Parts: sequence; C-alpha cells; structure tokens
Amino acid sequence: AQSVTQLDSQVPVFEEAPVELRCNYSSSVSVYLFWYVQYPNQGLQLLLKYLSGSTLVKGINGFEAEFNKSQTSFHLRKPSVHISDTAEYFCAVAYNNNDMRFGAGTRLTVKP
Amino acid sequence: DAGVIQSPRHEVTEMGQEVTLRCKPISGHNSLFWYRQTMMRGLELLIYFNNNVPIDDSGMPEDRFSAKMPNASFSTLKIQPSEPRDSAVYFCASSPILTANTEAFFGQGTRLTVV
Repeated sequence: AQSVTQLDSQVPVFEEAPVELRCNYSSSVSVYLFWYVQYPNQGLQLLLKYLSGSTLVKGINGFEAEFNKSQTSFHLRKPSVHISDTAEYFCAVAYNNNDMRFGAGTRLTVKP
Repeated sequence: DAGVIQSPRHEVTEMGQEVTLRCKPISGHNSLFWYRQTMMRGLELLIYFNNNVPIDDSGMPEDRFSAKMPNASFSTLKIQPSEPRDSAVYFCASSPILTANTEAFFGQGTRLTVV
C-alpha cells in the first residue's frame, strides 16, 4: 500500500535552533515529493518539491529537503528557525496516477 | 491573482440540513480538488476534476456527499443531509494541469460545524 508517514506529530524548538521534520513514504514506483506549510486558519502553501535531479531541494523561507531513495525519505530541514515558522507542515507524495497522499502533519512550535 | 476563493469561511448548521460549499479556482487552472481535514483523519482527498469533469470520486465518504463543476470557474461540494461527523475543514485546491509533478494551490478553507 502507498503511504506517507510523518514520524513526529509535534516538534517544539527554540528560536534560532536547527530543525528537522521527518517524512518517509512507501512506494515501489517513481514518486514526486512535496512539503506544504499551513499557518493557522490558512490553506496549505507549497514550501518545496522534488521532481527529479539533485536530491537536495531548496524552498522558500530558508527550508530545504533531501530526497533519499534508498531510505524512502524526504526530510525537511532549516538551520535556524524563527517564531514565524510556527505552523503545521505536511509531507505529500504524488504518484503517476495523480493520486497525491498527505502525511498526518507535524506541528512545529518555535519558542522564544 | 486572488488565489483560490472559498465561501463561506465558516458554516454552522443543524444536523439534517443541506450544506453547500463553494469554490472558485485560479483562473486558467484546469484541475480542481476537494479535500477534508480533521484531527482524526488528517487531510483526505474527496474528489477531483479535470476540465470540469469528475475524474476520481472514490474519496467521497457517502452518497450524502456530492460535488459539481458546472464551469471552469466554479465548483460546489454539497452535503445532504449533514451529520455532526461531517464537521471538518473543507479545502478546495486547483492546479494548472493534471499531472503528478504539479503542485496544488489551496484556498483558505471552509470550517463546517454540524450541531
């Protein structure tokens, strides 16, 4: 079965600390990978996506993610977070049949 | 561009009533998606359209749910009759083309509460 697993439901960190939000997927076929961010009372916004090529993808707001095919992972990282990064982050995987699956989300809370 | 526009932003209704959620996709986008978000089940794809035609409605939970897209600039999601367990945030999203490598652009959602 095709699935997306976000390993942490909540991640609290202090401001200016590094953060990694983990995402693993299961698939035996090629996939496309996305990270979305949802701020309170807002819809989802695209942070970054991996389609092909370089496995390190840079997105908006200083975030980056690395595609690891052997580990079927697409972890999101930021070297120094800000209070404004507090939000819910969703990993998503799209398959060639246009089926896109979202993970359960990780709530990142940045504390002063 | 105003983005994907959903209305209403909040809806409170009594059990048994009909509820209609509305969505205006981004102009020029050919694909439209309806999602439901709950604490228990996360973000679920309900149905999606391509060029106004429903492609996959396997995510629609029950026959009480129906969706239409009469033209390229408007879609509705209707629940009749509504039940308390339908309470959720419903998102509409659109995409320029229906390919797996194209991201979706989300509206701000409609928070539905059925009492």
